[in-house]
Amino acid sequence: EAGVAQSPRYKIIEKRQSVAFWCNPISGHATLYWYQQILGQGPKLLIQFQNNGVVDDSQLPKDRFSAERLKGVDSTLKIQPAKLEDSAVYLCASSFSRGVKTQYFGPGTRLLVL
Amino acid sequence: AQTVTQSQPEMSVQEAETVTLSCTYDTSESDYYLFWYKQPPSRQMILVIRQEAYKQQNATENRFSVNFQKAAKSFSLKISDSQLGDAAMYFCAYRSAGRGGSQGNLIFGKGTKLSVKP
Repeated sequence: EAGVAQSPRYKIIEKRQSVAFWCNPISGHATLYWYQQILGQGPKLLIQFQNNGVVDDSQLPKDRFSAERLKGVDSTLKIQPAKLEDSAVYLCASSFSRGVKTQYFGPGTRLLVL
Repeated sequence: AQTVTQSQPEMSVQEAETVTLSCTYDTSESDYYLFWYKQPPSRQMILVIRQEAYKQQNATENRFSVNFQKAAKSFSLKISDSQLGDAAMYFCAYRSAGRGGSQGNLIFGKGTKLSVKP
Protein backbone atom coordinates (compact mmCIF):
# COMPACT_ATOMS: atom_id res chain seq x y z
CA GLU A 1 0.00 0.00 0.00
CA ALA A 2 1.47 3.34 -1.05
CA GLY A 3 1.87 5.91 1.69
CA VAL A 4 1.04 9.60 1.76
CA ALA A 5 2.93 11.42 -0.98
CA GLN A 6 4.01 15.04 -0.84
CA SER A 7 5.86 17.33 -3.19
CA PRO A 8 8.09 19.16 -3.40
CA ARG A 9 10.30 17.91 -0.58
CA TYR A 10 12.16 21.21 -0.28
CA LYS A 11 11.37 24.75 -1.34
CA ILE A 12 13.28 28.01 -0.93
CA ILE A 13 11.53 31.27 -1.72
CA GLU A 14 11.86 34.93 -0.88
CA LYS A 15 9.37 36.71 1.32
CA ARG A 16 6.28 37.99 -0.44
CA GLN A 17 6.50 35.23 -3.04
CA SER A 18 3.88 32.53 -3.44
CA VAL A 19 4.31 28.80 -2.95
CA ALA A 20 2.15 25.72 -3.26
CA PHE A 21 2.44 22.25 -1.75
CA TRP A 22 0.79 19.11 -3.02
CA CYS A 23 -0.42 16.05 -1.12
CA ASN A 24 -1.77 12.71 -2.31
CA PRO A 25 -3.27 10.71 0.57
CA ILE A 26 -3.46 6.96 0.93
CA SER A 27 -6.01 5.53 -1.48
CA GLY A 28 -9.47 5.39 0.07
CA HIS A 29 -8.70 7.78 2.92
CA ALA A 30 -11.50 10.29 3.24
CA THR A 31 -9.89 12.55 5.82
CA LEU A 32 -6.87 14.71 5.04
CA TYR A 33 -4.93 16.99 7.37
CA TRP A 34 -2.32 19.69 6.84
CA TYR A 35 0.03 20.44 9.74
CA GLN A 36 2.70 23.11 10.15
CA GLN A 37 5.81 22.10 12.08
CA ILE A 38 8.09 24.98 13.02
CA LEU A 39 11.64 24.01 13.99
CA GLY A 40 11.79 22.83 17.59
CA GLN A 41 8.05 22.45 17.96
CA GLY A 42 5.44 19.78 17.46
CA PRO A 43 3.14 19.86 14.44
CA LYS A 44 0.16 22.19 14.59
CA LEU A 45 -2.99 21.51 12.61
CA LEU A 46 -3.79 24.02 9.88
CA ILE A 47 -6.79 22.45 8.19
CA GLN A 48 -8.80 19.21 8.08
CA PHE A 49 -10.79 17.96 5.10
CA GLN A 50 -13.46 15.30 5.03
CA ASN A 51 -13.68 14.26 1.37
CA ASN A 52 -13.72 17.63 -0.43
CA GLY A 53 -15.21 19.64 2.41
CA VAL A 54 -13.44 21.62 5.11
CA VAL A 55 -14.36 20.49 8.63
CA ASP A 56 -11.85 22.55 10.60
CA ASP A 57 -9.75 25.50 9.46
CA SER A 58 -9.82 27.45 12.70
CA GLN A 59 -6.01 27.66 12.89
CA LEU A 60 -5.39 28.47 9.25
CA PRO A 61 -4.14 32.07 8.70
CA LYS A 62 -6.70 32.76 6.04
CA ASP A 63 -5.25 36.12 5.00
CA ARG A 64 -2.33 34.30 3.38
CA PHE A 65 -2.98 30.55 3.49
CA SER A 66 -5.48 28.66 1.39
CA ALA A 67 -6.12 24.98 0.78
CA GLU A 68 -8.36 22.93 -1.42
CA ARG A 69 -9.26 19.33 -2.07
CA LEU A 70 -11.48 19.66 -5.09
CA LYS A 71 -12.12 16.01 -5.99
CA GLY A 72 -11.79 14.62 -2.49
CA VAL A 73 -8.42 13.05 -3.21
CA ASP A 74 -5.35 15.27 -3.77
CA SER A 75 -4.95 18.47 -1.86
CA THR A 76 -3.01 21.69 -2.39
CA LEU A 77 -1.89 24.12 0.30
CA LYS A 78 -0.91 27.61 -0.86
CA ILE A 79 0.82 30.51 0.85
CA GLN A 80 0.48 33.95 -0.74
CA PRO A 81 2.41 36.07 0.12
CA ALA A 82 4.94 34.20 2.24
CA LYS A 83 6.47 35.66 5.39
CA LEU A 84 9.71 34.77 7.14
CA GLU A 85 7.77 33.10 9.94
CA ASP A 86 6.22 30.65 7.47
CA SER A 87 9.53 28.78 7.34
CA ALA A 88 8.59 25.32 8.56
CA VAL A 89 7.91 21.76 7.52
CA TYR A 90 4.42 21.26 6.13
CA LEU A 91 3.11 17.79 6.86
CA CYS A 92 0.17 16.13 5.21
CA ALA A 93 -1.61 13.25 6.91
CA SER A 94 -4.60 11.09 6.07
CA SER A 95 -6.93 8.66 7.79
CA PHE A 96 -9.70 6.39 6.56
CA SER A 97 -12.28 8.57 8.26
CA ARG A 98 -12.50 11.20 11.01
CA GLY A 99 -13.43 8.56 13.56
CA VAL A 100 -10.43 6.37 12.82
CA LYS A 101 -7.74 6.88 15.39
CA THR A 102 -4.59 6.45 13.32
CA GLN A 103 -3.29 9.14 10.99
CA TYR A 104 -0.60 8.35 8.44
CA PHE A 105 1.89 11.08 7.68
CA GLY A 106 3.74 12.01 4.53
CA PRO A 107 7.43 12.93 4.45
CA GLY A 108 6.69 16.66 4.56
CA THR A 109 7.75 19.70 2.57
CA ARG A 110 10.47 21.83 4.11
CA LEU A 111 9.94 25.51 3.31
CA LEU A 112 12.56 28.18 3.81
CA VAL A 113 11.50 31.80 3.35
CA LEU A 114 14.40 34.24 2.93
CA ALA B 1 -8.26 24.02 25.25
CA GLN B 2 -6.19 20.91 25.51
CA THR B 3 -2.43 21.11 25.92
CA VAL B 4 0.37 18.56 25.81
CA THR B 5 3.66 19.07 27.63
CA GLN B 6 6.89 17.19 27.16
CA SER B 7 9.34 18.44 29.76
CA GLN B 8 12.43 16.64 28.45
CA PRO B 9 13.82 18.34 25.34
CA GLU B 10 16.56 15.73 25.04
CA MET B 11 17.24 12.28 26.43
CA SER B 12 20.06 9.83 25.97
CA VAL B 13 20.18 6.07 26.49
CA GLN B 14 22.79 3.38 26.12
CA GLU B 15 22.07 0.70 23.56
CA ALA B 16 20.15 -2.24 25.10
CA GLU B 17 19.12 -0.14 28.11
CA THR B 18 15.67 1.16 29.02
CA VAL B 19 14.54 4.76 28.78
CA THR B 20 11.32 6.53 29.77
CA LEU B 21 10.01 9.64 28.05
CA SER B 22 7.55 11.82 29.96
CA CYS B 23 4.36 13.48 28.81
CA THR B 24 1.63 15.31 30.66
CA TYR B 25 -1.55 16.75 29.24
CA ASP B 26 -4.38 18.97 30.28
CA THR B 27 -7.99 18.39 29.32
CA SER B 28 -11.47 18.63 30.76
CA GLU B 29 -12.70 15.78 28.58
CA SER B 30 -13.17 12.26 29.87
CA ASP B 31 -12.90 10.42 26.57
CA TYR B 32 -9.84 10.84 24.40
CA TYR B 33 -6.87 9.10 22.85
CA LEU B 34 -3.18 9.51 23.46
CA PHE B 35 -0.38 8.70 21.06
CA TRP B 36 3.37 8.53 20.82
CA TYR B 37 4.79 9.31 17.40
CA LYS B 38 8.38 8.84 16.28
CA GLN B 39 9.98 11.21 13.79
CA PRO B 40 13.40 10.12 12.49
CA PRO B 41 15.64 12.63 10.76
CA SER B 42 13.97 11.75 7.42
CA ARG B 43 10.86 13.53 8.83
CA GLN B 44 8.32 10.76 8.24
CA MET B 45 6.13 10.69 11.36
CA ILE B 46 5.40 7.12 12.44
CA LEU B 47 2.88 5.96 15.05
CA VAL B 48 4.58 4.09 17.88
CA ILE B 49 1.75 3.35 20.26
CA ARG B 50 -1.80 4.41 21.08
CA GLN B 51 -3.84 4.44 24.29
CA GLU B 52 -7.57 4.85 24.66
CA ALA B 53 -8.48 6.80 27.80
CA TYR B 54 -11.32 4.45 28.69
CA LYS B 55 -8.95 1.51 28.88
CA GLN B 56 -7.25 0.93 32.22
CA GLN B 57 -4.72 -1.48 30.79
CA ASN B 58 -1.53 0.12 29.55
CA ALA B 59 -0.82 -0.35 25.85
CA THR B 60 2.19 -2.38 24.75
CA GLU B 61 3.79 -2.79 21.34
CA ASN B 62 6.82 -5.05 21.39
CA ARG B 63 9.62 -3.07 23.11
CA PHE B 64 7.39 -0.02 23.61
CA SER B 65 4.97 0.36 26.48
CA VAL B 66 3.18 3.22 28.17
CA ASN B 67 2.36 4.15 31.73
CA PHE B 68 -1.03 5.85 31.53
CA GLN B 69 -2.13 7.63 34.72
CA LYS B 70 -5.49 9.19 33.90
CA ALA B 71 -6.01 10.97 37.21
CA ALA B 72 -2.56 12.49 37.05
CA LYS B 73 -2.93 13.20 33.30
CA SER B 74 0.37 11.53 32.65
CA PHE B 75 1.34 9.37 29.69
CA SER B 76 4.95 8.18 29.63
CA LEU B 77 6.64 5.98 27.04
CA LYS B 78 9.06 3.26 28.02
CA ILE B 79 11.46 1.87 25.45
CA SER B 80 13.09 -1.38 26.48
CA ASP B 81 16.24 -2.87 24.96
CA SER B 82 16.97 0.38 23.12
CA GLN B 83 18.34 0.07 19.61
CA LEU B 84 20.28 2.50 17.43
CA GLY B 85 17.24 2.77 15.18
CA ASP B 86 15.21 4.19 18.07
CA ALA B 87 17.11 7.47 17.81
CA ALA B 88 14.57 10.10 16.76
CA MET B 89 12.27 12.86 17.94
CA TYR B 90 9.38 11.48 19.94
CA PHE B 91 6.12 13.38 20.11
CA CYS B 92 3.29 12.84 22.51
CA ALA B 93 -0.12 13.70 21.06
CA TYR B 94 -3.70 14.05 22.25
CA ARG B 95 -6.89 13.53 20.30
CA SER B 96 -10.42 14.18 21.47
CA ALA B 97 -12.90 11.36 21.07
CA GLY B 98 -15.75 13.84 20.66
CA ARG B 99 -17.62 14.39 17.41
CA GLY B 100 -17.18 18.14 17.16
CA GLY B 101 -15.36 20.07 14.47
CA SER B 102 -12.01 19.16 15.96
CA GLN B 103 -12.60 15.43 15.78
CA GLY B 104 -9.47 13.75 14.53
CA ASN B 105 -7.21 16.72 15.17
CA LEU B 106 -3.99 15.82 16.94
CA ILE B 107 -2.49 18.17 19.52
CA PHE B 108 1.23 17.59 19.84
CA GLY B 109 3.81 18.32 22.49
CA LYS B 110 7.12 19.91 21.57
CA GLY B 111 8.92 16.62 21.38
CA THR B 112 11.84 14.84 23.03
CA LYS B 113 14.99 14.13 21.07
CA LEU B 114 16.24 10.65 21.93
CA SER B 115 19.86 9.71 21.30
CA VAL B 116 21.04 6.11 21.52
CA LYS B 117 24.70 5.51 22.35
CA PRO B 118 26.39 2.36 21.01
